[in-house]
Amino acid sequence: QSALTQPASVSGSPGQSITISCTGTSSDVGGYNYVSWYQQHPGKAPKLMIYDVSNRPSGVSNRFSGSKSGNTASLTISGLQAEDEADYYCSSYTSSSTLIFGGGTKLTVL
Amino acid sequence: EVQLVESGGGLVQPGGSLRLSCAASGFTFSSYEMNWVRQAPGKGLEWVSYISSSGSTIYYADSVKGRFTISRDNAKNSLYLQMNSLRAEDTAVYYCAKVDIVATFDYWGQGTLVTVSS
Repeated sequence: QSALTQPASVSGSPGQSITISCTGTSSDVGGYNYVSWYQQHPGKAPKLMIYDVSNRPSGVSNRFSGSKSGNTASLTISGLQAEDEADYYCSSYTSSSTLIFGGGTKLTVL
Repeated sequence: EVQLVESGGGLVQPGGSLRLSCAASGFTFSSYEMNWVRQAPGKGLEWVSYISSSGSTIYYADSVKGRFTISRDNAKNSLYLQMNSLRAEDTAVYYCAKVDIVATFDYWGQGTLVTVSS
């Protein structure tokens, strides 16, 4: 199964908002509300930022939000800060009871 | 504090075997599902395998099915990944990850590097 489709890179200036898309199929993103988003800084383990499409774990800034429409999920980061610069990965549960990740998006804060 | 500590990585020749371990602490290990996720150098995350809290249900990615075996010892608070018939494309940092709710990984280990090369 191919990875979920994410843009390779996005960028924004401090204070701006950006959105990262994650496109799958009806067998994964479109079929379940089990989409998560992870942030990964270089050399570090991934960190959970959003789960179940739009829920934030305790301790994650409310500048991070998630949504879904059809087979595409989205992560929006508002009020960009330098510390947000990282790689972001979406993931989804699949109809095969497995999990699939997106290819990853590198966020650059200009 | 939840801690996941992987070990067992290293350099192995193609066709060889390696067993990774993940020592868990800070939570009731026997109550939670666990997964292995890997990341090839400079590449994205790839889900590898899942095991239920009791160990009775297991899933694998197609890329490792038939070669890798996930297991756990709840008495030892440990997760394992037995990797056989290793290939160059299995070179990656391997992370163990704790499942919070369905398909959500709330805690990750620091990873252990596996290098398959002659």
